[in-house]
Amino acid sequence: AQSVTQLGSHVSVSEGALVLLRCNYSSSVPPYLFWYVQYPNQGLQLLLKYTTGATLVKGINGFEAEFKKSETSFHLTKPSAHMSDAAEYFCAVSDRAQGAQKLVFGQGTRLTINP
Amino acid sequence: DAGVIQSPRHEVTEMGQEVTLRCKPISGHNSLFWYRQTMMRGLELLIYFNNNVPIDDSGMPEDRFSAKMPNASFSTLKIQPSEPRDSAVYFCASRKDRASGNTIYFGEGSWLTVV
Repeated sequence: AQSVTQLGSHVSVSEGALVLLRCNYSSSVPPYLFWYVQYPNQGLQLLLKYTTGATLVKGINGFEAEFKKSETSFHLTKPSAHMSDAAEYFCAVSDRAQGAQKLVFGQGTRLTINP
Repeated sequence: DAGVIQSPRHEVTEMGQEVTLRCKPISGHNSLFWYRQTMMRGLELLIYFNNNVPIDDSGMPEDRFSAKMPNASFSTLKIQPSEPRDSAVYFCASRKDRASGNTIYFGEGSWLTVV
């Protein structure tokens, strides 16, 4: 069964600094991979996803992620953090091999931006 | 277009009472998911439907929980009787088609407190 591990439940960066949120997955074959963001008291919103093709995926709000099969990783980055990026971020995987249709989430990483 | 609509947004109930959470998926979407979010366990998939048929309910905690989808535009999650440990945010989400790579769209959540 597929699973997702997010390294670091809390990440704190300064405004303008690089944001790096780590995600590793376990799956029998390359899966579909997603990053969602959750702002306080709101639902989850898709940031970006990888399904096929180019391994560097660009999303909303200046975020991007790179699928690395050899490392089974899908880390999320943003070159310059903004105060509005403070939120919780979830990496998720869906295993295409099993025809599985459900999304399995990591535990989440809370991102804090320091002024 | 309207997103996934959940009601109630907030509910406080006493232990032992019945709780019914409601969801209207995005029009045209034929997969529907119920997730539960807690601090301790993160985001857990409870059950999902394809074309109104329950496909996987292995995440439903126990017999006190039940979910129905009588038609393509409405689903309920019922807890009877409710217990304090059921306090959580319950998210409904929907997706177009069965394709695992398609985006799942989340509602704003129903915040349940059982006292």
